[in-house]
Amino acid sequence: EAGVAQSPRYKIIEKRQSVAFWCNPISGHATLYWYQQILGQGPKLLIQFQNNGVVDDSQLPKDRFSAERLKGVDSTLKIQPAKLEDSAVYLCASSLQLAGGTEQFFGPGTRLTVL
Amino acid sequence: KNEVEQSPQNLTAQEGEFITINCSYSVGISALHWLQQHPGGGIVSLFMLSSGKKKHGRLIATINIQEKHSSLHITASHPRDSAVYICAVRSMDSNYQLIWGAGTKLIIKP
Repeated sequence: EAGVAQSPRYKIIEKRQSVAFWCNPISGHATLYWYQQILGQGPKLLIQFQNNGVVDDSQLPKDRFSAERLKGVDSTLKIQPAKLEDSAVYLCASSLQLAGGTEQFFGPGTRLTVL
Repeated sequence: KNEVEQSPQNLTAQEGEFITINCSYSVGISALHWLQQHPGGGIVSLFMLSSGKKKHGRLIATINIQEKHSSLHITASHPRDSAVYICAVRSMDSNYQLIWGAGTKLIIKP
C-alpha cells in the first residue's frame, strides 16, 4: 500500500515569496491533516480536512496561509507571502476517518527554508 | 502545564541497554500514539493503543488508562534506534485531534 506522498521534499525561498506544497494521502483516507513542525518542537496542526470540507483551521495563519482539498483527495498548502519564521517542516498526514482511535499516517514532510 | 508530558527529554545510552520512555497525559483520550522521527525525516507511527500492551519486534508499548500513563520500551537497543520518540494522544475533547508531547531525543552509542 502506497503511503502519504508529499512534494517537494525541500524548498528554499526568500522572504515575501510564495510557495506551495502538495500532498497525496493514502487512497481511501477521508481525513487529511497539515502540520507545521519548527525545529526542536512538536508538530502543530494547521488544518484538518474531512473529505473536501475543513474541520479545523483555528491555528492556520489565514492572512498568509491557505489550503484546499477540492476533490477530497489531494491537497495543497500555500504560503503567500512567506516570512522567516515560516521556516519549518510541513507534514501531511491522513487517516481513514475522523473520530475514534484512528491511526494517522505521515508523509516524509517538506522542509522549507525562508531566507 | 502541558496536556502531554514526556520524560526524559533527552536520553543517551549504550548499545544493548533497555530503554524506557514515559508519557503522562491529563485529558480524556480515545487512543495514544507513539511515533518515531529521525533527523530530517518524516514521522513514522510505531504504535496506536487504547489499552494494555503491544509489541513489535524490540519495541513494547504499554498504557494504563486509569493512571493516564504510557511507556515505550526498547529492548537490546541499537544505534539505529537513535531518533526522537513522540507521544501523542487523540483527545476526545477537541475533534479527536492529536495533542503532542515534546518528544524524547534518544541517542544510542555503539
